[in-house]
Amino acid sequence: EAQVTQNPRYLITVTGKKLTVTCSQNMNHEYMSWYRQDPGLGLRQIYYSMNVEVTDKGDVPEGYKVSRKEKRNFPLILESPSPNQTSLYFCASSQAGTGGIYEQYFGPGTRLTVT
Amino acid sequence: GQQVMQIPQYQHVQEGEDFTTYCNSSTTLSNIQWYKQRPGGHPVFLIQLVKSGEVKKQKRLTFQFGEAKKNSSLHITATQTTDVGTYFCAGLSNDYKLSFGAGTTVTVRA
Repeated sequence: EAQVTQNPRYLITVTGKKLTVTCSQNMNHEYMSWYRQDPGLGLRQIYYSMNVEVTDKGDVPEGYKVSRKEKRNFPLILESPSPNQTSLYFCASSQAGTGGIYEQYFGPGTRLTVT
Repeated sequence: GQQVMQIPQYQHVQEGEDFTTYCNSSTTLSNIQWYKQRPGGHPVFLIQLVKSGEVKKQKRLTFQFGEAKKNSSLHITATQTTDVGTYFCAGLSNDYKLSFGAGTTVTVRA
């Protein structure tokens, strides 16, 4: 089954404790992206990747890191989480080509609370 | 940077009525995508528009991309309870950055 998986689905942590949210897709997609969703703000792109070893900042990259060492995986790293990073996080993937990117498939989401 | 504004933020509709949600970008877009998110769920792709002035239909949903590729709209006719959810537009820039609108949350009165 074609899917995007994220882990963990729920996480409560404390300020300053490094954490990683994993994302994996089994569709051989080139494009992968991380978003955070906050009430009234829609989805805001954190980082995106067009291919292995290629990553770019989205609209809200501060406080986050990503890596793309393998095509299927795109982990999101919070080196020193703060309460303002409490949010719902989505990973997504899609095919990409000269015309841009196509239908994005979203993971189920990770609800993160930083106290 | 690129900004995508979406209105209205909320849409309360009587079952059977029509409504439209609008997206406007501050810059010209490569393409625009529309997604629907049900309460508690993740965004699900509806459609992608690429060409200037493009119009696409999916049953009761009609999507338009403006001539200048800076605005788009989604029109739903004869709203049903299954249309409940939040509709997002997402504009793609030339550097493959995707900017989402804040979404229109639709509720339906039976």
